Amino acid sequence: GQSLEQPSEVTAVEGAIVQINCTYQTSGFYGLSWYQQHDGGAPTFLSYNALDGLEETGRFSSFLSRSDSYGYLLLQELQMKDSASYFCAVRDRYGGATNKLIFGTGTLLAVQP
Amino acid sequence: DVKVTQSSRYLVKRTGEKVFLECVQDMDHENMFWYRQDPGLGLRLIYFSYDVKMKEKGDIPEGYSVSREKKERFSLILESASTNQTSMYLCASSSTSGHTDTQYFGPGTRLTVL
Repeated sequence: GQSLEQPSEVTAVEGAIVQINCTYQTSGFYGLSWYQQHDGGAPTFLSYNALDGLEETGRFSSFLSRSDSYGYLLLQELQMKDSASYFCAVRDRYGGATNKLIFGTGTLLAVQP
Repeated sequence: DVKVTQSSRYLVKRTGEKVFLECVQDMDHENMFWYRQDPGLGLRLIYFSYDVKMKEKGDIPEGYSVSREKKERFSLILESASTNQTSMYLCASSSTSGHTDTQYFGPGTRLTVL
């Protein structure tokens, strides 16, 4: 089967650093993505890793280790507006079509003052 | 600016009714997707389409069908709504070009089946 595991909830304080982990088991792997979803909002794309290593985008960084089937999202200088759900997703091929994503169950990040 | 719109934010239907959820994207994307989102279960793929009139089953297609007659529009159909189809439904689209397969999501339709 194909599955992704991530913690259900994480709590941190404003200004801190938090890491959200994601481990995956998939039959095919072409990259790991991260999406953010605020309560009542639509998921929005944050980052993508196809190769091992760290990708940095402002306060957010994403890491991938393909040999460990593991990645994480690192959020620095946390702000209250970062309170949201964060989903990891793996790109997979499905039949003749590409672009199918398999999503994890999401991590609810609560940032406290 | 990319845009995916869904026909309704909130919808209340009765058991047995036929329900249509519409999704339109203005980015000329080839791929379109329908997910349902339930607490603790994440986003589960119902159906997707990679071209006009083409469709593929996702992980939970039972009780649903889809239609894609035009590139920009992807419809989700509940032939006979049931209470266990009460959920948040999210539509998304993506392009086959590029390397990230970034999906752009609509605002969602919260469907309640009574």
